[in-house]
Amino acid sequence: QKEVEQDPGPLSVPEGAIVSLNCTYSNSAFQYFMWYRQYSRKGPELLMYTYSSGNKEDGRFTAQVDKSSKYISLFIRDSQPSDSATYLCAIGGSGGSNYKLTFGKGTLLTVNP
Amino acid sequence: EAQVTQNPRYLITVTGKKLTVTCSQNMNHEYMSWYRQDPGLGLRQIYYSMNVEVTDKGDVPEGYKVSRKEKRNFPLILESPSPNQTSLYFCASTPSLARAGDTQYFGPGTRLTVL
Repeated sequence: QKEVEQDPGPLSVPEGAIVSLNCTYSNSAFQYFMWYRQYSRKGPELLMYTYSSGNKEDGRFTAQVDKSSKYISLFIRDSQPSDSATYLCAIGGSGGSNYKLTFGKGTLLTVNP
Repeated sequence: EAQVTQNPRYLITVTGKKLTVTCSQNMNHEYMSWYRQDPGLGLRQIYYSMNVEVTDKGDVPEGYKVSRKEKRNFPLILESPSPNQTSLYFCASTPSLARAGDTQYFGPGTRLTVL
């Protein structure tokens, strides 16, 4: 089983839709959960991160972690065309490799005007 | 402006011709790493460095070398490039080792083609 699994999509939604992006992971020792956004021809940029189970909200974005199910989600409310990008989940902090991140393969999102 | 820079941004080369991709950060970050990004495979870590003169292998280190002689620079060296190293490469830096959750700042990427 891969350490981090993410549906690559692509996902296409109309403007204003609620978007749900998800990852599952296999190692229960992981402690840090992040979402990165990557626009075409650019490097990834950190969008959200959290240490614990539960929800974290930042504007239109909500990150959700369920450690018991080893499942993380990113919700985007009122999606905009400018949200069109690849979204990567990243998980880290497993035992001695506290500084190593494992990335999902990314989900390509297109928000249509 | 806080940033991670990479050079070159684009490179086409031939098999076996040694090359170096430079990475530099101006944020005094301790931790730096190199990733490659391939379609269907996502971002995979090649090497990382926890501080000057301290480096270690990531998930896909074969065919690559790195060095960390100064805190700000972390070059990626391909001694004898092969076509399977054709990829998009990203350098990243993080403020400290305290938490992996600290923001990783990514460079703009280097698109390498090995013929």
